[in-house]
Amino acid sequence: QSVLTQPPSVSGTPGQRVIISCSGSSSNIGGNTVNWYQRLPGTAPKLLIYGNNKWPSGVPDRFSGSKSGTSASLAISGLQSEDEADYFCAAWDDSLNGWVFGGGTKLTVL
Amino acid sequence: QVTLKESGPTLVKPTQTLTVTCTFSGFSLSASGVGVGWIRQPPKRALEWLALIYWDGDKRYSSSLKSRLTITKDTPKNQVVLKMTNMDPVDTGTYYCVHSFQYDILTWGQGTLIIVSS
Repeated sequence: QSVLTQPPSVSGTPGQRVIISCSGSSSNIGGNTVNWYQRLPGTAPKLLIYGNNKWPSGVPDRFSGSKSGTSASLAISGLQSEDEADYFCAAWDDSLNGWVFGGGTKLTVL
Repeated sequence: QVTLKESGPTLVKPTQTLTVTCTFSGFSLSASGVGVGWIRQPPKRALEWLALIYWDGDKRYSSSLKSRLTITKDTPKNQVVLKMTNMDPVDTGTYYCVHSFQYDILTWGQGTLIIVSS
C-alpha cells in the first residue's frame, strides 16, 4: 500500500495527451514539492520533473508537472511510443521524516 | 555525470545481517545539501524509503525499521553503506541507492536484488 495514490494504468494513442495523478496528504504533497520519475524495464528510475514543475536538463517539455493542494499531476503531451513506461511520484513526508512514493502508473501507448 | 552502483550479496539467510554498499561518482557527499539514501521495493509491492545520510553526517531512518538499520558514509571513498540486521524473507526485494539534494531524489542506482532464504 503506497502512501501516495496513483492510478495503476493509463493509455493513449500517439500524439495524444495523457495525465497521471498523484494524491497525498498535508504532511507530504501538501507541504513539500513533488518529483516524478520514469522507469523503463530493467533500468534505473529517471527524474522527469522536480520541484512540482521543473525540468532537469535533457527532459523534453512534453512532460510537465503541476500541484494543487495535496494532489499533483504529470502531463505527457505529443505521446510517443518510447514514452511507454512506468511513472511514479515522490515527495518528502514531514511526519515520517523521509520520502514517500506512489505505487506507479503504467503508461501504454496504443 | 552522476552514477550510483549498489553492491552486496544476492542471497542472505534469515537472521543474518545484510550489508550493501553504494559506490557513487559525479558528486561529493561533502557538499552542502547533498545526501545519499536507500530505498527498497519488494516484488509486486510499493517503494519503501529506508535511510538517508546527509553531507554533514546527519542520519534519518524509517521509523518502522530504525532498530535494524545503520547507515554510514566514507566520503573519501565515495561510498555509503547500509546494514540491516535480522533479515527475514519479507525483506526480499530490490534495494536502490539514491543521490539527493535537499528534499529531492535526483538520481537512482540500478538497484540490487536481495533474496532472503534459507
